[in-house]
Amino acid sequence: GQQVQQSPSSLVLQEGENAELQCNFSSTATQLQWFYQSPGGSLVSLLSNPSGTKHTGRLTSTTVTKERRSSLHISSSQTTDSGTYLCAIDRDQGGRALIFGTGTTVSVSP
Amino acid sequence: DAAVTQKPRYLIKMKGQEAEMKCIPEKGHTAVFWYQQKQSKELKFLIYFQNQQPLDQIDMVKERFSAVCPSSSLCSLGIRTCEAEDSALYLCSSSGGVSYEQYFGPGTRLTVL
Repeated sequence: GQQVQQSPSSLVLQEGENAELQCNFSSTATQLQWFYQSPGGSLVSLLSNPSGTKHTGRLTSTTVTKERRSSLHISSSQTTDSGTYLCAIDRDQGGRALIFGTGTTVSVSP
Repeated sequence: DAAVTQKPRYLIKMKGQEAEMKCIPEKGHTAVFWYQQKQSKELKFLIYFQNQQPLDQIDMVKERFSAVCPSSSLCSLGIRTCEAEDSALYLCSSSGGVSYEQYFGPGTRLTVL
């Protein structure tokens, strides 16, 4: 079945630094979503980006579907960006359920 | 604030007891999903409902869980006989319309003693 791998597994930043998170997946994805998971566990949808480039606030996602990879760029990091960033794709091609990567834990210090 | 509501937020059960958790999807959303996340592990898909009908689920759900959506505004996930391995965060999400984007509730954290 589909597999999702994220790198790095963890990242430590100084406030103001930029970060690039990677997501690689095993076969063609028609859905791709980036989520933020808070230390308490709740998930917030950041971007839905199955192909191309999308921006929201300080976040930019670029997905190259045929190369089976997506990236999430965080610019000018803030302490409130600390948490886990998860990449998810469709469980079965064209299906609605998601499978998730293991995430990148980001820690931003002041 | 999450538009998807989950109750209770915390649930403690003894091994062998039954557990039930509820999800109220975002208004107008017709797809509801349940995921399980054990400590420091990735989220695992459990079951997907479309217009209150189960369309996809993993074998574990068929064997040990009970999941229903009796109305478009309420779904529930139950565990018939809790085991220690069921201790996890259970997350419900919903999506609707032409967008497949999923929105998650805050989760129910189940502890089985």
